[in-house]
Amino acid sequence: KQEVTQIPAALSVPEGENLVLNCSFTDSAIYNLQWFRQDPGKGLTSLLLIQSSQREQTSGRLNASLDKSSGRSTLYIAASQPGDSATYLCAVLAGNNRKLIWGLGTSLAVNP
Amino acid sequence: DTGVSQDPRHKITKRGQNVTFRCDPISEHNRLYWYRQTLGQGPEFLTYFQNEAQLEKSRLLSDRFSAERPKGSFSTLEIQRTEQGDSAMYLCASSLRDTQYFGPGTRLTVL
Repeated sequence: KQEVTQIPAALSVPEGENLVLNCSFTDSAIYNLQWFRQDPGKGLTSLLLIQSSQREQTSGRLNASLDKSSGRSTLYIAASQPGDSATYLCAVLAGNNRKLIWGLGTSLAVNP
Repeated sequence: DTGVSQDPRHKITKRGQNVTFRCDPISEHNRLYWYRQTLGQGPEFLTYFQNEAQLEKSRLLSDRFSAERPKGSFSTLEIQRTEQGDSAMYLCASSLRDTQYFGPGTRLTVL
């Protein structure tokens, strides 16, 4: 059974720091991995999607890597800003019906 | 707006009442998914449609829950005899291949 784990559960950093969020999954048979952002009480914003054949994706200050064989992904946020404060969720697309299986998220607070 | 839409955005109901949510997917998308997210948790898969056929249901979807997708277009999720534990954000997503696009969600509060 596919399980997704995110570490740390919560993170508080001063503005300007570079930071890494971690995601691991137990079954390497995935179609893709996606990172989402969620603000309190709001819906999901897709940040980056990495296909199973890819190693990384970049968008602005965000870089996500994927090591499918070891079941790991990292989300790197450069020069963090208070506006980056949110919960970051990792999800893998897997199974015959291509459903998303989610981690519990990392709650990030960037302090000015 | 050609994205996924959900209605209503917020619903407050009393325990024991029935509620129905609607999801309108992106028009050419044949796959439609429902997920539920409770406070402090990641979303969890509820059910999946390919066109009008419901192909998978999670064990989370008790007998009080029913979902339909008539004609393979919009979908409805109905919860009968709501319980306080049903309070959550209900998320709908649609896809054509391997990228799911999410709607804004319906937040249900059961008093």
